[in-house]
Amino acid sequence: KAGVTQTPRYLIKTRGQQVTLSCSPISGHRSVSWYQQTPGQGLQFLFEYFSETQRNKGNFPGRFSGRQFSNSRSEMNVSTLELGDSALYLCASSLGGSSGANVLTFGAGSRLTVL
Amino acid sequence: QQQVKQSPQSLIVQKGGISIINCAYENTAFDYFPWYQQFPGKGPALLIAIRPDVSEKKEGRFTISFNKSAKQFSLHIMDSQPGDSATYFCAASIGAGSYQLTFGKGTKLSVIP
Repeated sequence: KAGVTQTPRYLIKTRGQQVTLSCSPISGHRSVSWYQQTPGQGLQFLFEYFSETQRNKGNFPGRFSGRQFSNSRSEMNVSTLELGDSALYLCASSLGGSSGANVLTFGAGSRLTVL
Repeated sequence: QQQVKQSPQSLIVQKGGISIINCAYENTAFDYFPWYQQFPGKGPALLIAIRPDVSEKKEGRFTISFNKSAKQFSLHIMDSQPGDSATYFCAASIGAGSYQLTFGKGTKLSVIP
């Protein structure tokens, strides 16, 4: 079965621009989480969506936003890009149930470079 | 504030040796501790996980040891192989339904022949 698909895989933007990243979860998975990975800070939780509702949000500024569609696909948006936003953005999907282990399956990520 | 501290940052082990990666956490509310493995160009993949009601969990060559009183847990890779060369992340979360993982900063493991 297909894994988590993230597009685009690589992109370059300049400061002040905005970017939209897309994530298609594993079929049947209803929860999508987003993480930012940088060499300095490691993996940091951005937000998590389930059934089109944001359930959790990490400690990131309001420039970072996301949404989830009825087919569970998710997008995240970063507005007014800063140099420090350069990172690998990872999407993870899971079944989304409230019981049992929270097993996340990650995509390969979208590598954003801000110049 | 880093809630999960991971060490060492990098580790070189000979083929057949034991790789040991340690993590310490601060938040006693954490109740789920997974380890993820990441190869270059790939996203992290769940390797093994443990809950605080057990002190050890073994899956093949991978073992997690958990010390609740010390708030520490570690990953042991027995008979390390060159194919195990990757970056390993420990993580922690609160609640079974939470998808908000707090990750350690990772350990780059190199297994040399």
